[in-house]
Amino acid sequence: ETGVTQSPTHLIKTRGQQVTLRCSSQSGHNTVSWYQQALGQGPQFIFQYYREEENGRGNFPPRFSGLQFPNYSSELNVNALELDDSALYLCASSSWTSGGSEQFFGPGTRLTVL
Amino acid sequence: GDSVTQMEGPVTLSEEAFLTINCTYTATGYPSLFWYVQYPGEGLQLLLKATKADDKGSNKGFEATYRKETTSFHLEKGSVQVSDSAVYFCALSEYDYKLSFGAGTTVTVRA
Repeated sequence: ETGVTQSPTHLIKTRGQQVTLRCSSQSGHNTVSWYQQALGQGPQFIFQYYREEENGRGNFPPRFSGLQFPNYSSELNVNALELDDSALYLCASSSWTSGGSEQFFGPGTRLTVL
Repeated sequence: GDSVTQMEGPVTLSEEAFLTINCTYTATGYPSLFWYVQYPGEGLQLLLKATKADDKGSNKGFEATYRKETTSFHLEKGSVQVSDSAVYFCALSEYDYKLSFGAGTTVTVRA
């Protein structure tokens, strides 16, 4: 069973640029959630995708957007990067049909905005 | 809204000491409760979970009991090892599967 993978591992961007982060869900999982973890903080929920539709969103501005593909992989896009967007971005997959809410996390993408 | 408050760190212990990390929560319904662990440079790993009141989650010597009357889910381990050094996050999830995390507690175990 393949776990959750994310790419790239690290990324450096400058303010105002755009970035795309990628996530492949664990085999058999149909739901992907994205979290932002600032240094020294707990992860904050950005949004969740289920069957290619956004299924809930946290307190993040519209410049944070996402996609989910038919194979359940997902992208997180951030436009007009700000310095405060520097963080570890975590992707988690789960199975909506499992009846539970256990999420399996990838290793994360470390984004640095200069 | 849902929220989790956990004991602030950092916590420094000697090997074989007893570890407790307090966690309390606020939720509108009956959430599932989790403890996640994050080792240096890595993502989050599920340590244990409990889905209803009085359930006890356990794994790798760690335990936590879902206490609805005190809205708590404290993490305990009787004898820590150096390899338990990590950041521990308490979290909850209601029906929408979104996880709400505490701020994390950094634990350092010295040999």
